[in-house]
Amino acid sequence: GDSVTQMEGPVTLSEEAFLTINCTYTATGYPSLFWYVQYPGEGLQLLLKATKADDKGSNKGFEATYRKETTSFHLEKGSVQVSDSAVYFCALGRYNQGGKLIFGQGTELSVKP
Amino acid sequence: GAVVSQHPSWVICKSGTSVKIECRSLDFQATTMFWYRQFPKQSLMLMATSNEGSKATYEQGVEKDKFLINHASLTLSTLTVTSAHPEDSSFYICSARAGEGSETQYFGPGTRLLVL
Repeated sequence: GDSVTQMEGPVTLSEEAFLTINCTYTATGYPSLFWYVQYPGEGLQLLLKATKADDKGSNKGFEATYRKETTSFHLEKGSVQVSDSAVYFCALGRYNQGGKLIFGQGTELSVKP
Repeated sequence: GAVVSQHPSWVICKSGTSVKIECRSLDFQATTMFWYRQFPKQSLMLMATSNEGSKATYEQGVEKDKFLINHASLTLSTLTVTSAHPEDSSFYICSARAGEGSETQYFGPGTRLLVL
C-alpha cells in the first residue's frame, strides 16, 4: 500500500541556515504530494503541494519538487527563521480515493536565533 | 483561509465513560470530514472518513462501534469514543475538505483525550 517516510527529527538549525527535510513515498500511479506544517498549539496547515511529476510547489520561501524517478518530495528553504520552528508533515493523497491523506511521521524543526 | 474548530480542546474522563468531540467548519460547507488519531512523536493515522448524510467509512482496524461518527450537517461532524479506556488516550484531529473537487483539507487544532 501507499506510504510516506520522512527523515527523523528533531532538526535544529541556526537562523538563516539552509533547510532540507527529506520525504520519500511508495505508491502506484500518480498521487498528489503535500507538505503540511503544524505550529505549536495550532492545527495543521497546508504549506505547499504538487499534483504531478516535476511540479514544484512553493510557499513562504519553502519549495519542494515532485520527483517520480526518485519517489521523493524533499522540502527546502534557503534561509530559515525562528518563526519557522514547527513540525512538518509530508503527505500523499489521491483524489479518486475521496481525498484521503497518508502522512509521514513528521519532522520537528527548531530554529535558534 | 478556511477555519475548522474542535471542541473540546482537551478532556479528561474516567474509564468506561463516553466522550464526544465536535468538529465544525466555520466559514465553509464540508460534505467530507476526516478523523485522525495522533500518538506522541508519531504520524497522523486516518481513522475514518465522514460524509454528510451517510455512514462513515472506517479504515481497516478501526472499531466502528467504539468510535461513533455522525455527520449530521454540512458544518458539523462528531466523534464519540464509547466506553473509553486508557489505551484510547490520544490526540484526535479532524479535517474538512474544501469541496468535492478539492484536494485541500483544513485541519482543526485537535482534541487531547486522557482516559484515567
